[in-house]
Amino acid sequence: EVQLVESGGGVVRPGGSLRLSCAASGFTFGDYGMSWVRQAPGKGLEWVSGINWNSGTTGYADSVKGRFTISRDNAKNSLFLQMNSLRAEDTALYYCARGEKYRRDSSIDYWGQGTLVTVSS
Amino acid sequence: DIQMTQSPSSLSASVGDRVTITCRASQSISNYLNWYQHKPGKAPNLLIYSASSLQSGVPSRFTGSGSGTDFTLTISSLQPEDFATYYCQQSYSAPCTFGQGTRLEIK
Repeated sequence: EVQLVESGGGVVRPGGSLRLSCAASGFTFGDYGMSWVRQAPGKGLEWVSGINWNSGTTGYADSVKGRFTISRDNAKNSLFLQMNSLRAEDTALYYCARGEKYRRDSSIDYWGQGTLVTVSS
Repeated sequence: DIQMTQSPSSLSASVGDRVTITCRASQSISNYLNWYQHKPGKAPNLLIYSASSLQSGVPSRFTGSGSGTDFTLTISSLQPEDFATYYCQQSYSAPCTFGQGTRLEIK
């Protein structure tokens, strides 16, 4: 059974940093592209960042480019999102999501339950 | 960046109705278009990928069509469990933008 479990969310002040983690199991993690998707309170889904299977290529939404960094550790079946210079508008539920094999840009067939990030003073 | 525009933003319908949601891309995305269903408190669920391919386990009353810039999701006969918010997403190029969503409500 595919499982994606996020952690690392919490309350942080504007300008602060957080590192989200996603522990994957039930599939060959190193074969798949992965993404982070978020949903702000009362808003729709927003694709945040994606990474291909071997970390060879990454992509970011304009809203987070230069502040967020996606990475992965295939040996540990883990996906990460380093979030710096956080703003109030980054407040959201952050989902870890599995894409298609090898690709960075792809449909998403499995999602975690999300970790909540709140940016507030 | 590619912009995705869904219509309508909300829709009221009855059980048994046929409904269609449209999604337009700001540039051609070939068939790199996906549809998701999202219910409150749950993770989104992939319904259709590559514009018209039905994801495993998804009922056949869901169909997708289109290519280039214009796409549709059709639910042939609404069931009570179908009332949710639906999103399109392009996976042609990063950032893999979502549409703003279509909220499907019970009439």
